[in-house]
This record gives sequence, structure tokens and C-alpha cells, in this order.
Amino acid sequence: GAGVSQSPSNKVTEKGKDVELRCDPISGHTALYWYRQRLGQGLEFLIYFQGNSAPDKSGLPSDRFSAERTGESVSTLTIQRTQQEDSAVYLCASSLEPLAGGYEQYFGPGTRLTVT
Amino acid sequence: GENVEQHPSTLSVQEGDSAVIKCTYSDSASNYFPWYKQELGKGPQLIIDIRSNVGEKKDQRIAVTLNKTAKHFSLHITETQPEDSAVYFCAASSSSDFASGTYKYIFGTGTRLKVLA
Repeated sequence: GAGVSQSPSNKVTEKGKDVELRCDPISGHTALYWYRQRLGQGLEFLIYFQGNSAPDKSGLPSDRFSAERTGESVSTLTIQRTQQEDSAVYLCASSLEPLAGGYEQYFGPGTRLTVT
Repeated sequence: GENVEQHPSTLSVQEGDSAVIKCTYSDSASNYFPWYKQELGKGPQLIIDIRSNVGEKKDQRIAVTLNKTAKHFSLHITETQPEDSAVYFCAASSSSDFASGTYKYIFGTGTRLKVLA
């Protein structure tokens, strides 16, 4: 079946502009995660959605970052007034209900964001 | 906060040799430890995982060991092949996170494995 998809695959933007990144999770996956991966670095947790519960936003680095998810479908990550340090690959992952044993996170291919 | 350290950052082995990657974690409540493989231009993919109620798990050429007392776990790849070349990430999660409804991994910084033909 279809995996996690993300769009766009690449985004180049000028410093100060806003960008919106999209994630389509695997159908039926109630949990959705966003991570940031800087060049040569590990995965940095940003935000987690689980069903209709309040999202865990503890990893968002600043108030320029926000994310939304409608129900158990598409999620968008928005970065306002982009800075050069925002340049990274943004990865989305989804999983089944964690409390029901849905431990495995399935990752999308990522969006490579370059802020010039 | 919780921290996961991973070593080495790069590892080169000859084809057919074994490779070992090690991680340590700080949160004693962690109870689930996945390993992900990331190929160039792709998202990470789960290759093996272990829960804290077992000490070792094996899947063909890949095995993971867990030492809860020392709070470290390792990935072992035997009979390495060129297609094993990738970046490998360890991660740790926590049952306390599950209970509160928060569920996230803390990832290590990755190991770039090169298998030389």
C-alpha cells in the first residue's frame, strides 16, 4: 500500500518568507510526527499528533514554527519568517495508535528546505 | 532531558566482516529501542527493535542486544554487504511517555556505515 508522502520534495525560499510543508500519513495511522534533520545530524523531534488529543508541541524550536492536522489525515508544518538556520530536511512519520502497540514509525522521504 | 548517545559516527568495514554500533540512553524508564536505516535521499526505515523485557533479538544478519543495567544497546550486522552501506540511527522511547499520551523517540546522532567491496 501507499506509504507516507511529503510535498514538496525540495523547497528553496528566501529568508523572511513563510513556507508550508505537507505530510500525508498512511491511511489508518492515528499518530503523526514531525522531525527536523540538519545536514549530517540526527533527527530532532518537533511535534506529535495523536487522534483528537492535544498535540505535543514540546519540540518546536520557536513560535515561528506551527503545525496543524485535521482529524487523522493530512498535516501541514508552517515556518514563518524563515531563517537560514531553518535549512534542513523535514521528515514526517506516522504510526498506529501507540498505546495499542503501534510502536513502529513509518517515515516519509522528507522535504529538503533551503533558505537563501 | 533524555539523551541518547551513539558511537561511532562513521564506520568502515570490509565486505563480509561484522559491524557493531553502540548507543547509550539516560532515561531508566525507557522500554523500547528501535534501530532505523536511512539511505541517501530517503526517510529512515525500521530494521529491528527490542523491548526492555528481552536482552537480545535477531533477524537474519541483524541482531540487537540490550543491557538495561548499563543502559546501553547495540546493533550487530554480520556478513556485511555493500547494500548495508547507509546511516543507522538508534532511538529510545519511554513507557512513562506512553502512559501520559506523549509518544516520541529520542534519536542518536547516527552512524554512517560504509561497506567496502
